[in-house]
Amino acid sequence: DGGITQSPKYLFRKEGQNVTLSCEQNLNHDAMYWYRQDPGQGLRLIYYSQIVNDFQKGDIAEGYSVSREKKESFPLTVTSAQKNPTAFYLCASSGGISGGSSYNEQFFGPGTRLTVL
Amino acid sequence: DQQVKQNSPSLSVQEGRISILNCDYTNSMFDYFLWYKKYPAEGPTFLISISSIKDKNEDGRFTVFLNKSAKHLSLHIVPSQPGDSAVYFCAVRHGSSNTGKLIFGQGTTLQVKP
Repeated sequence: DGGITQSPKYLFRKEGQNVTLSCEQNLNHDAMYWYRQDPGQGLRLIYYSQIVNDFQKGDIAEGYSVSREKKESFPLTVTSAQKNPTAFYLCASSGGISGGSSYNEQFFGPGTRLTVL
Repeated sequence: DQQVKQNSPSLSVQEGRISILNCDYTNSMFDYFLWYKKYPAEGPTFLISISSIKDKNEDGRFTVFLNKSAKHLSLHIVPSQPGDSAVYFCAVRHGSSNTGKLIFGQGTTLQVKP
């Protein structure tokens, strides 16, 4: 079954610690995205990557970092510099630059709820 | 400055009736519009979309209408079912973008009462 997996579902960390959220897809999509969802604010783009070894900042990249060493994987690190890291984090992918029917639609993973204590 | 707005945070309808969810946008360069449905603690799932060259797209109980002159998008669900209760997000893509980036509205929580 093709899809996007995010792990873990729930994550707790102490303030001041870096934490890395996993995102893996087997849809053969070129593009991958990270969003955070806060109550009443919809989905805000953190980082995105159109192709391996390349990524761009989204609207709220401060305090976050990413890597894209493999097409299937796009991990997000929430650093201690992120002032309000407690949120629901969503990873998505789309056909990206290869085009095709999945170019316009983004497919989402189940999300990770991060709570910083 | 929000480029995509869903002005109604919530909507409640009776089962079997029509649900109408609305979305307004500011930029006439947006060329592709999508609706996503999201249950609590889950990722959004794609529902239906429309290109700017059309004004209507239908898929079963779901119809999306696009009014480009008013920069307004709406989703109609007929008939509404209790399982439709969820948060609905509209999303838009900029026509000059080759990144696939989407801009999302804040979401509208739909409650369908049995």
